[in-house]
Amino acid sequence: DAKTTQPPSMDCAEGRAANLPCNHSTISGNEYVYWYRQIHSQGPQYIIHGLKNNETNEMASLIITEDRKSSTLILPHATLRDTAVYYCIVRVARDSNYQLIWGAGTKLIIKP
Amino acid sequence: DAMVIQNPRYQVTQFGKPVTLSCSQTLNHNVMYWYQQKSSQAPKLLFHYYDKDFNNEADTPDNFQSRRPNTSFCFLDIRSPGLGDAAMYLCATSQNGRGSGYTFGSGTRLTVV
Repeated sequence: DAKTTQPPSMDCAEGRAANLPCNHSTISGNEYVYWYRQIHSQGPQYIIHGLKNNETNEMASLIITEDRKSSTLILPHATLRDTAVYYCIVRVARDSNYQLIWGAGTKLIIKP
Repeated sequence: DAMVIQNPRYQVTQFGKPVTLSCSQTLNHNVMYWYQQKSSQAPKLLFHYYDKDFNNEADTPDNFQSRRPNTSFCFLDIRSPGLGDAAMYLCATSQNGRGSGYTFGSGTRLTVV
């Protein structure tokens, strides 16, 4: 199974862009990259996912390198409410279903 | 709003006393998952139901069981909780494991005394 590697923690100033890196060097061609975040004592919240093209939605942008071995989640204008643990996840095919392989997460702290 | 609901939010149980956690969904998703999350760790998949088919992870202890009586409900049974089973238990759903539709509940925090 592909594994992801993330920095354990990052700081970002409020109002600036937060760029969260993730390495997934063993990812296979049909495995998607997902990002979730978890605010303290809540369930994980979906942010974005992609295969090889860059993706953008109302929450964030996902930039995937051409070789797909790494990606970056971008929160364009971070607010204090974006303080959370961000998980980079690879979705792998398994039997007749899929499984999420979770990274250890990056604790993002947004500072005023 | 369509959602995944876990009850109770907090559960305290005695060492060795069976406990059941519940999960319900209004999304009509066919796959339901149970995760265990210990402090400062990523969620760990215990098992999942794909429709009515139960899929257990190889390293999930026998102490953990699950039931899915219908599409909407799924239960996690811990037959003899130990102190090491204290954790947040997360329920999630998806439609065939695809797309953006992995939706998590708010979790049940289990304390074993």
